[in-house]
Formats: sequence, structure tokens, C-alpha cells
Amino acid sequence: SQKIEQNSEALNIQEGKTATLTCNYTNYSPAYLQWYRQDPGRGPVFLLLIRENEKEKRKERLKVTFDTTLKQSLFHITASQPADSATYLCALATYNTDKLIFGTGTRLQVFP
Amino acid sequence: ETGVTQTPRHLVMGMTNKKSLKCEQHLGHNAMYWYKQSAKKPLELMFVYSLEERVENNSVPSRFSPECPNSSHLFLHLHTLQPEDSALYLCASSQDLPGLVTDTQYFGPGTRLTVL
Repeated sequence: SQKIEQNSEALNIQEGKTATLTCNYTNYSPAYLQWYRQDPGRGPVFLLLIRENEKEKRKERLKVTFDTTLKQSLFHITASQPADSATYLCALATYNTDKLIFGTGTRLQVFP
Repeated sequence: ETGVTQTPRHLVMGMTNKKSLKCEQHLGHNAMYWYKQSAKKPLELMFVYSLEERVENNSVPSRFSPECPNSSHLFLHLHTLQPEDSALYLCASSQDLPGLVTDTQYFGPGTRLTVL
């Protein structure tokens, strides 16, 4: 069966450290993968997109990697801050699809 | 703000009520979506509209009825809901469908629905 898995356990890290979140998928051939941030009581907000033929993308303190052999994407936040505390969702799309498939999300808590 | 608005933000209804959720996007997008978000579950896609035509109905019970009168507005009509339908209902829009371009989705703030 097709699945997207994110660590359901909350990730707690200290301010200034690098947070690494994982997104694994099975039985998909994604055209691209996206990461979103969601704060409580709000809708998700797009952060980064990475295509199947790309290994890494960066945006300021954010970095996404994509390994189609391992069927995994990693999302890194360097020099994390308490304001980075939120739930982070990964989503993938296959070619000729009408939809994005979302993972359950991982809650990140950055403490001072 | 993301350019996608939803009303109401909170809704409490009984199982016999009829209510509607409204979504409006000010981004000039061609595709609009309804999602259901329940605790500890992935976002569940309910309906997809592209250029006002429904292109996806993800096995959603008939007590949920979508309507897309134009490319800027999307409604979700609710009737005879069940308590398990209580969730956050999110509307989103994108320039085109995900498979056509590497597009991102812009979400509204959601409607928190409680069915008593």
C-alpha cells in the first residue's frame, strides 16, 4: 500500500541546535515533494519544494534533501529558534495527479 | 494572510442541522480544494475543483456536498453530520492541479467544526 510516514513523536530540541525531520514514503514515484509549516489553529504554509532529480534545496536556515533510492526526504532547520516551534508536514505529488498526498506531520518544539 | 479566507472560523452544529462553509481565494488560482484534518491523521483530501469543474471526489459521504459557483469561491454544504465529522476543514487553492506544474497550495485558516 502507499504510505507517507513522518515521526509522530514530537521533536524537542534546544535553541541554536539543528532540527532534522524525516519523511519516508513507500510505493510512490513522486515528481516532487513539498514541506509545509502549520501553527495551531491555522492552515499549512508552504516552505520548500524539491523535485525528483534534485538532491538538496536551501532557503535561509532551511534545507531539504531528497533521496529517491532511500525514498526519504529530510528537512533541516539550522540555528533553531523558539519561533520555529510548529508542526511540519511533508507532501508529495506524482505525475499527472490531481492531488498532493500529505504525511501526518511532526511537531517541533524548540526550547530556550 | 495567504489570500485564502474561510468563514466561519468556528461552527457548532447538531446532527440534524444544515450549514455551509465558505471559502474565497483572491489569488487568481484555477484549482481549489477541501481537506479534512483530524487529530493525529494526515490531511484528507475531500474534493478538488479545477476551473470550476469537480475533478476529484475522494469517496466522501454524501452528507458533504461541495459547490464551486466560480473560480474564486468554494462552498461545502453540510447536512445530517455525525460526531465523527468534527474536525478542522481546510480550503486551499493553487494556480493549477499538482500534476501539471510544481505548484504550491495556499491554505485558508480553516473552520473548526464540532458536531454534537
